[in-house]
Amino acid sequence: DAGVTQSPTHLIKTRGQHVTLRCSPISGHKSVSWYQQVLGQGPQFIFQYYEKEERGRGNFPDRFSARQFPNYSSELNVNALLLGDSALYLCASSPGLKETQYFGPGTRLLVL
Amino acid sequence: AQSVTQLDSQVPVFEEAPVELRCNYSSSVSVYLFWYVQYPNQGLQLLLKYLSGSTLVESINGFEAEFNKSQTSFHLRKPSVHISDTAEYFCAVSVYNTDKLIFGTGTRLQVFP
Repeated sequence: DAGVTQSPTHLIKTRGQHVTLRCSPISGHKSVSWYQQVLGQGPQFIFQYYEKEERGRGNFPDRFSARQFPNYSSELNVNALLLGDSALYLCASSPGLKETQYFGPGTRLLVL
Repeated sequence: AQSVTQLDSQVPVFEEAPVELRCNYSSSVSVYLFWYVQYPNQGLQLLLKYLSGSTLVESINGFEAEFNKSQTSFHLRKPSVHISDTAEYFCAVSVYNTDKLIFGTGTRLQVFP
């Protein structure tokens, strides 16, 4: 079975631009979560979506938004990019709520 | 609020030696506990987890971790490491009624021949 897939794998943007990151969960998984991993640190929770509804939000500014589609895939959007948004963005899926999360390979974003 | 502390940022060890990666957590409510491994330029892979029951949990590749409620610890151990175990290891907790994972800052395990 295919695991969690994310696209693109790498991305370079400049300050002020907008970015959209995409995630396809494991088949049958209905929950998707997003994490930001800054170099040298552990991942930080951004959002969780379940059945297309936001179920949790971390301590991130409103420039960060996300949505989940009927096929359970998800997009993370970041507006007005800052240098500090440079990080590895990880998507994780789980079959439902309160179940083990499985991570994708991540999208590495560099903001110049 | 919950937090996770990984006391060692780096652990160098020779091949076939034993290793322990330390993890302590802070929480006023019951939690689930996890260890994830991250190989270079890759995402996180679940290594093992403690949800309930036996306090000693094992992974398929020889790692084990023991939940110690009194010491609020979940240390990861392996009796004999291999070169291929070189990676970043993250300890994480989640509260029973949420799916939010709270990670430690990671421990880089470097295995030398």
